[in-house]
Amino acid sequence: KAGVTQTPRYLIKTRGQQVTLSCSPISGHRSVSWYQQTPGQGLQFLFEYFSETQRNKGNFPGRFSGRQFSNSRSEMNVSTLELGDSALYLCASSLSRGQAGETQYFGPGTRLLVL
Amino acid sequence: GENVEQHPSTLSVQEGDSAVIKCTYSDSASNYFPWYKQELGKRPQLIIDIRSNVGEKKDQRIAVTLNKTAKHFSLHITETQPEDSAVYFCAASGGSNYKLTFGKGTLLTVNP
Repeated sequence: KAGVTQTPRYLIKTRGQQVTLSCSPISGHRSVSWYQQTPGQGLQFLFEYFSETQRNKGNFPGRFSGRQFSNSRSEMNVSTLELGDSALYLCASSLSRGQAGETQYFGPGTRLLVL
Repeated sequence: GENVEQHPSTLSVQEGDSAVIKCTYSDSASNYFPWYKQELGKRPQLIIDIRSNVGEKKDQRIAVTLNKTAKHFSLHITETQPEDSAVYFCAASGGSNYKLTFGKGTLLTVNP
């Protein structure tokens, strides 16, 4: 099976702009989670989607949003970009049989640089 | 919410030695504890995981132990090799919590 894929892999934006990142999960996986990775804060949870519904949300401002489509593909959007949004954005997918504590498989990430 | 503490932040060992990384968690409802290895510029990759109904799990040179009472779990790597050099993350999830809460990571360096 193909692994989790993310596009684009690299992105450079300027402050105030918005950005949309895309994630395609492993075939058959129904849950997609998004994480932000920075040297200072490590891996931080953004949100998780299952069956087109957001099930969990982390402690990020409302500028960070996401959605999931009927084919389980997911997008996340960051509006009004700030310098501090520069990070590696990782998505992870899991089968999600309806229980918490399932194995998550990560994509290669999108590296976002905000100038 | 869940909080995961990971120690040490850096670990340097000689090739062939053992390496141990320890994590503690705060939410007693957590029941799933994976370990990820992340090489420079690459995605985190699952190397081993353990659920709360098991005390120990082993896969070749890698083992994980879990102490539910003390709420801590550890990663043990034996006979370390230079290719084991990477950042290792522990994580916890479970109960009503679908997200993974990660430790801050341990940079392991195996010196040849």
